[in-house]
Amino acid sequence: SQKIEQNSEALNIQEGKTATLTCNYTNYSPAYLQWYRQDPGRGPVFLLLIRENEKEKRKERLKVTFDTTLKQSLFHITASQPADSATYLCALRHSGGGADGLTFGKGTHLIIQP
Amino acid sequence: EAQVTQNPRYLITVTGKKLTVTCSQNMNHEYMSWYRQDPGLGLRQIYYSMNVEVTDKGDVPEGYKVSRKEKRNFPLILESPSPNQTSLYFCASSLSRDSSYEQYFGPGTRLTVT
Repeated sequence: SQKIEQNSEALNIQEGKTATLTCNYTNYSPAYLQWYRQDPGRGPVFLLLIRENEKEKRKERLKVTFDTTLKQSLFHITASQPADSATYLCALRHSGGGADGLTFGKGTHLIIQP
Repeated sequence: EAQVTQNPRYLITVTGKKLTVTCSQNMNHEYMSWYRQDPGLGLRQIYYSMNVEVTDKGDVPEGYKVSRKEKRNFPLILESPSPNQTSLYFCASSLSRDSSYEQYFGPGTRLTVT
C-alpha cells in the first residue's frame, strides 16, 4: 500500500540553526511533491512544490530536495527562528483507490528554541 | 483577496441533528475537496469535486454528503451526525486536480457531536 512517513516526534532546534525535516514514501511514483506549513487550529499553507526532475528547490530560507531513488524529500529551514515553529506536512498525489488529489503525511512538529 | 471561507468555524451539536458546513472559494478553482483532521491520523480526504456536478468519494466518505451546484461552493452535509464525526474539518481548492497546483485551505471548522 502507499505510505507517506514523516517523523512523528517533535523536532527541537536551536534558533539560528538549520532545521531538516524528512518525508519518506513507498509505492508512489510522484511527479510532484508539496510541502505545507500548519499552525495549531489553522489550515495548511502551501510552501513549496518540487518536481521529480528537480533535485532541489529554494525559496528564501527554505530548501527542498527530492530523491526519487531513495523515495525521500528533505525540507530545510536555514537560520531558523521561533516564528518557524509549526507542523510541516509533505503531500503527494494519491493514485488508485477511492481518493484523489493530495495525500498528506501526518506532519512533523518543529519547535525552534530561542 | 484570494481565499477559501468556511462556516461555521465552531459548531457543537447533538447526535442525529442534520448539519451543513459551507465552503466557498473566490478563485474560480475547478477542484475542491473536504478533509478531516484527527490527532494521530493526519488529514484524510472525505470527498472531492473536479468540477460542477462532479463529486466523488475520498478515503473516509461514510456519514457525509456533498454537492457542487456552483463552481464556488462545496458544502459538506452530515445527515445524522455521530460522536465519531467530532473532528476539525478543512475545505480546500485548487486550480485543477493536477498535483502541480497548490491547494488553498479554508480556516477550518471545529465540530463537536455530543
